[in-house]
Amino acid sequence: EDQVTQSPEALRLQEGESSSLNCSYTVSGLRGLFWYRQDPGKGPEFLFTLYSAGEEKEKERLKATLTKKESFLHITAPKPEDSATYLCAVQAVREYGNKLVFGAGTILRVKS
Amino acid sequence: KAGVTQTPRYLIKTRGQQVTLSCSPISGHRSVSWYQQTPGQGLQFLFEYFSETQRNKGNFPGRFSGRQFSNSRSEMNVSTLELGDSALYLCASSTRTQNTGELFFGEGSRLTVL
Repeated sequence: EDQVTQSPEALRLQEGESSSLNCSYTVSGLRGLFWYRQDPGKGPEFLFTLYSAGEEKEKERLKATLTKKESFLHITAPKPEDSATYLCAVQAVREYGNKLVFGAGTILRVKS
Repeated sequence: KAGVTQTPRYLIKTRGQQVTLSCSPISGHRSVSWYQQTPGQGLQFLFEYFSETQRNKGNFPGRFSGRQFSNSRSEMNVSTLELGDSALYLCASSTRTQNTGELFFGEGSRLTVL
């Protein structure tokens, strides 16, 4: 069974204090690993897709990396507007279409 | 470009009733997926429709069903509601041509079962 475990469950940072979120996964044949951001009362918003170990993607203060067992979402000099729940999801090669397996998420709070 | 629209946004039902939720995808998107989100289980895949055909299904009981119309709009139905069905039901659309996992989610329909 495909599984995604995210840590920590919650993270509090001061504005400008860089940190990383972890996503460990178990999947029989990874088609892709995805990061989403979810604000309260909203649906998740797509951030990145990573396909193979060693791949990196960047967007503003966020950088996602991928190894064979885990992914990291690095947040550099975060701002209060980066506060959200960050979700990691995987899709197995055997899956057809858009069936994703999500982790429970990391709740990030950035204080000014 | 309009996003994914879900209706109703909030609804309250009692046990044993049934409910129908609606989803209008982004124009041009032919794939519609449904997910259930709860504090305990997180986001769980319900099913996906493409060109009016169910292409994938999650591990939910048969009380959960859906369909897609020729204009790509989708509905999901939950019959004989149970307390545990209280959740945020999210619809997501995609072009599906590239299978990138880039889903565009609506804001969800929050169902409370009393």
